[in-house]
Amino acid sequence: QQQVKQSPQSLIVQKGGISIINCAYENTAFDYFPWYQQFPGKGPALLIAIRPDVSEKKEGRFTISFNKSAKQFSLHIMDSQPGDSATYFCAGHSGGSNYKLTFGKGTLLTVNP
Amino acid sequence: DAGITQSPRHKVTETGTPVTLRCHQTENHRYMYWYRQDPGHGLRLIHYSYGVKDTDKGEVSDGYSVSRSKTEDFLLTLESATSSQTSVYFCAISDSRTSGSETQYFGPGTRLLVL
Repeated sequence: QQQVKQSPQSLIVQKGGISIINCAYENTAFDYFPWYQQFPGKGPALLIAIRPDVSEKKEGRFTISFNKSAKQFSLHIMDSQPGDSATYFCAGHSGGSNYKLTFGKGTLLTVNP
Repeated sequence: DAGITQSPRHKVTETGTPVTLRCHQTENHRYMYWYRQDPGHGLRLIHYSYGVKDTDKGEVSDGYSVSRSKTEDFLLTLESATSSQTSVYFCAISDSRTSGSETQYFGPGTRLLVL
């Protein structure tokens, strides 16, 4: 089973703090690692993504750190805001002709005002 | 939601009845996917399609079938609904022809309750 293990399951952070969500994968053939953000009652939406030849990618307050040798990657949300409260999913993409994503189980982030 | 609609958005049905969920896209994307989302399990792939009449199983395909007769429509059928199929179902699309094509775009979801 190609798994992506995500932690923690839930996270509570104060406004202005740093939120960190971690993922570990097993399949070394994954060629793309996206993070999705999901608000209640909505479908997941792509937040930020990274390829394995890059160790870090930053977009505004969101940063992915990628450690290929450890097969781990993490999402850092700087200056967390109440509007960031959502469920976050990491995923690994299987390339070739399948174009499939394997998702972590999700992290419910709550940012208190 | 990237030109993706799902219907119905909510459905209540009884055990043993067949149910069909529809995903419709206006993006002309090649790949379409059906996922189910359950607490503690995240998003799990049921079936996917890589072209008209070309489909394959995902990790939780038992009890489900799919059909894709047109590029824009991908149907998910629960042949005989069971309470374990109570879930939120999401359709997603992706386009293999563009850079960054690994990105999947999700629809708004269908909430299904099987009594």
